This record gives sequence, structure tokens and C-alpha cells, in this order.
Amino acid sequence: ETGVTQTPRHLVMGMTNKKSLKCEQHLGHNAMYWYKQSAKKPLELMFVYNFKEQTENNSVPSRFSPECPNSSHLFLHLHTLQPEDSALYLCASSQEKFSFGQGARNEQFFGPGTRLTVL
Amino acid sequence: ILNVEQSPQSLHVQEGDSTNFTCSFPSSNFYALHWYRWETAKSPEALFVMTLNGDEKKKGRISATLNTKEGYSYLYIKGSQPEDSATYLCAFPAGGGGGSNYKLTFGKGTLLTVNP
Repeated sequence: ETGVTQTPRHLVMGMTNKKSLKCEQHLGHNAMYWYKQSAKKPLELMFVYNFKEQTENNSVPSRFSPECPNSSHLFLHLHTLQPEDSALYLCASSQEKFSFGQGARNEQFFGPGTRLTVL
Repeated sequence: ILNVEQSPQSLHVQEGDSTNFTCSFPSSNFYALHWYRWETAKSPEALFVMTLNGDEKKKGRISATLNTKEGYSYLYIKGSQPEDSATYLCAFPAGGGGGSNYKLTFGKGTLLTVNP
């Protein structure tokens, strides 16, 4: 139990559907992340939120829309996805200082992921 | 584009064997190097965050070393057990200076299988 939960754990959707992935962290962290893992590829950062503000969009298509209503919750809204979007989507959180040279020295805590299949 | 390379891609060892694998990363603008363990159907779990050249960290039978000048880190497992079977990931902060060092770039991982 890492303190980061994700729902649902599995999702099958058609290309015309709209669905949302939910992530919740109980660790009091100030940064939350969405990652994507496709088959035979490394974990790929999608979005970063710090204190509810989006600080990074790693060239992600607009059919993926993140939302961070508060520091504990993160959503990924999905619409008109493609079959190639089928992947494992992981959420993570960390306590970060974003001043110069101080980033990424704290471990990230990951959720168990949502296995997404787009038909 | 940042390259974080891990080798080998996969490894099969017998219970009781000791093993090690490598993570290579850019040697300029070093901030930190992360190691994670990812067991099947579970969440990736942090093992170490290494920040100083020559650092050596240890957690039980697992240890890691860091050489920032040449851009590599080794992860060692002494006396491997079946429960050590997992994918071991390393990650390097992107950015090379400035405020984007929280962006972790992950390697593809080393898949370790320990046979009983």
C-alpha cells in the first residue's frame, strides 16, 4: 500500500466513449503526475501538477485532459481515444521543491495503475 | 532527448545467486538518480534516490552505487530470492538545470527472474 489509489483498475472503452481515470493520494504531497506505459516502452511522463497547477504537458494529445481539483485528487479525462492509446496509466505523487536545482530528489509514490483497452 | 539506458533487459538467476545491473545516464547537470522496483500487478516502489558522486546506499540485500562523472549506477542484489523477481527501473530528472528537474525520464528496466 503506497498511499496512492487509482480507479478503475481496468477499463475497456470504445473510440467514441468518454471516461475518466481517478487518482487519490493520502500522503499530503504537493505534486501529482500521470504516466503512461505502453508495451515494450519505458514509463512516459504525461502531465505534472504542483499545488493544483499544471506545470507540465509533455506533448500529450488533447484527447487526454487532466484535472486537479485539489492537491489530493487527480483525474484524467479520456475522449475519442485511439486503439494505440491502450496502455497502463499510472498516477504518482511526491513532495517537491521546484526551486532551481532542487527538483526530483524525493521519491515518487505510485498507484497501481489503470489498464486501459481502447477497442 | 534524454537517454537513460539499462542493461541487461532481462536476467534469470537461481535462488542464492548474487546479481547486478546497470543504469547509464547523461553525466552533465546531474541532480539525482532514482531506482524503483516494480513487481507484477503492483505499484512501482522507490528503492533509492542517489544524489552524490560515490554514494552507496543499501536496503537489506539490495545496494546501489553511483558514479556521476562517468554517468552510471549499479544495483546489486546479494543472495537473490524469488521475491526479488521484479522489473528494476532507474530514472533521471530531465531539465539539466532550471525548474523542470522533477520530470523523471525512466529507462526501460531490467526484468529479474529468480528461480527457486
